[in-house]
Amino acid sequence: NAGVTQTPKFQVLKTGQSMTLQCAQDMNHEYMSWYRQDPGMGLRLIHYSVGAGITDQGEVPNGYNVSRSTTEDFPLRLLSAAPSQTSVYFCASSYRDGGNTEAFFGQGTRLTVV
Amino acid sequence: KQEVTQIPAALSVPEGENLVLNCSFTDSAIYNLQWFRQDPGKGLTSLLLIQSSQREQTSGRLNASLDKSSGRSTLYIAASQPGDSATYLCAAMKTSYDKVIFGPGTSLSVIP
Repeated sequence: NAGVTQTPKFQVLKTGQSMTLQCAQDMNHEYMSWYRQDPGMGLRLIHYSVGAGITDQGEVPNGYNVSRSTTEDFPLRLLSAAPSQTSVYFCASSYRDGGNTEAFFGQGTRLTVV
Repeated sequence: KQEVTQIPAALSVPEGENLVLNCSFTDSAIYNLQWFRQDPGKGLTSLLLIQSSQREQTSGRLNASLDKSSGRSTLYIAASQPGDSATYLCAAMKTSYDKVIFGPGTSLSVIP
């Protein structure tokens, strides 16, 4: 059972380059989300999806795009990388069972923009 | 808007001590409360999940409680060990939105 898988684990980009962070889950969870973690700022929600074809913005969405064409995959796209996007990115998925839910996280992608 | 805070921000204790980490949330109309552990440079490991109908959960030396009326959760670690050194994050979940709102974390250091 792989859980939530993120690729790549590490990435260095030049300012202005674009790239896609991949996230896949094999638990058939409806809900998936992307967070960034910065020193002193904690984990902040970038974008989230409550099901295939449905996405919405979180707390810090600027500079990022997402799509959810399948239940399993939720890629995060950086259109034109900026040094301010240097961060550790975490993907999460969760289920909802009545009034209960639990979140599962990937191992993170450490991104440096130079 | 839901806000989650954690006290203390950092804690250093000698090995063997029992300790309590605190988590507070502003919107008590929740929730499930999940505690995570994060080692330096690593991802998040789920420790305990307290479902909306529960008041506490236990796993080994860890015990987490949830008091929705006061907007508080505590994580109790018994007989702390150096291997417990990590950052502990609490996260509040509102089932109707499925968003996970994190606290800033408590950095724990257990001294041998």
